[in-house]
Amino acid sequence: DVKVTQSSRYLVKRTGEKVFLECVQDMDHENMFWYRQDPGLGLRLIYFSYDVKMKEKGDIPEGYSVSREKKERFSLILESASTNQTSMYLCASSLGGIEQFFGPGTRLTVL
Amino acid sequence: AQTVTQSQPEMSVQEAETVTLSCTYDTSENNYYLFWYKQPPSRQMILVIRQEAYKQQNATENRFSVNFQKAAKSFSLKISDSQLGDTAMYFCAFPRTDDKIIFGKGTRLHILP
Repeated sequence: DVKVTQSSRYLVKRTGEKVFLECVQDMDHENMFWYRQDPGLGLRLIYFSYDVKMKEKGDIPEGYSVSREKKERFSLILESASTNQTSMYLCASSLGGIEQFFGPGTRLTVL
Repeated sequence: AQTVTQSQPEMSVQEAETVTLSCTYDTSENNYYLFWYKQPPSRQMILVIRQEAYKQQNATENRFSVNFQKAAKSFSLKISDSQLGDTAMYFCAFPRTDDKIIFGKGTRLHILP
């Protein structure tokens, strides 16, 4: 079974802090994705990566950056957290363009 | 532009009833997949069922089935004999050729005892 894990289920940070969200997958998937999920807005793509050190902006990249130094790990970085970044963050991976496998999510609160 | 629309933000049904969740989409592609994902409360999102557009037969997975109307660009999910464990957010999703997936805004389904 594919396993996608995220470093934290819940996280509370202060405005202005630098925040790292980590995602690891164990199935040698090429593609990895970061989404944020907000009520009434569904899932919105922040960034995705189709290979090590490769990244592309999604629909809402502002205020975020990513890092993919190893194939299995994809990190989302909030350079200076703001209250409007309070959200559920979901990581996913896929092999090719078909099914995506999701992590359990990180609920981030920025105070 | 490719879009996915779920017109029912929230639904409630009694346990053991049948419920249908609606989804429409827009694409100019001819061959594609469609998915329904399920996200239970505080749990991981999982794939419930997939449909390949070139297949005329509607996909079925146990109590879950789809009604795929390609010409109408409609892809509804039917849950038969609903159970309490079916309570979840359900997302209709459409994978694009650039490996991204477009998700609908979701339908929150409550199964009532």
